[in-house]
Amino acid sequence: EIVLTQSPGTLSLSPGERATLSCRASQSVRSSYIAWYQQNPGQAPRLLIYGASSRATGIPDRFSGSGSGTDFTLTISRLEPEDFAVYYCQQYGNSLFAFGGGTKVEIK
Amino acid sequence: QLQMQESGPGLVKPSETLSLTCTVSAGSISSGSYYWGWIRRPPGKGLEWLGSIYYSGGTFYNPSLKSRVTISVDTSKNQFSLYLNSVTAADTAVYYCARADYAFDYWGQGILVTVSS
Repeated sequence: EIVLTQSPGTLSLSPGERATLSCRASQSVRSSYIAWYQQNPGQAPRLLIYGASSRATGIPDRFSGSGSGTDFTLTISRLEPEDFAVYYCQQYGNSLFAFGGGTKVEIK
Repeated sequence: QLQMQESGPGLVKPSETLSLTCTVSAGSISSGSYYWGWIRRPPGKGLEWLGSIYYSGGTFYNPSLKSRVTISVDTSKNQFSLYLNSVTAADTAVYYCARADYAFDYWGQGILVTVSS
């Protein structure tokens, strides 16, 4: 069973700044099987990135994903007010899914 | 555009079985190579995948919950259902249904289920 560890737990930044979120897997994961989500209070999660680096439909290009093996990163190039939310990574393998614990991006 | 909607009781007593249904519209559960899954978010905690049913009928569950979770599908109604038995207060959460190939691209709005006597 693969465990995903996200860091930091909370990221305090100002609008316009760059956010870098980390997701580390307990064993190597195929890049095709890594996704990132954004969740705002009271809303369902929204798919941002799939296949480690492909943006989902309608996702602005300030969101980018990268990484391979056990280390994956979500980068938000310039934070907009609506980007302050909780972010989760997720992996798929052998018909099982798992989420990381989440990173909260809050306004500094 | 595919739409998904959870339904079921918002309050369940401890030791009883939590039962939720997800109704899918503007798309068929039987078409395409997709998993139809259940995810929950307890208050103050992160997302937890509970299990999924594949379009062909195979089921897959979170190992930590496997003994308590069952997912079934009714293709005639374009619905799939979650059954979680022997619930405790720790099962209080917002429950979501969602569709995935390797990532969950469509989600229901979620339903809050509280476990309390």
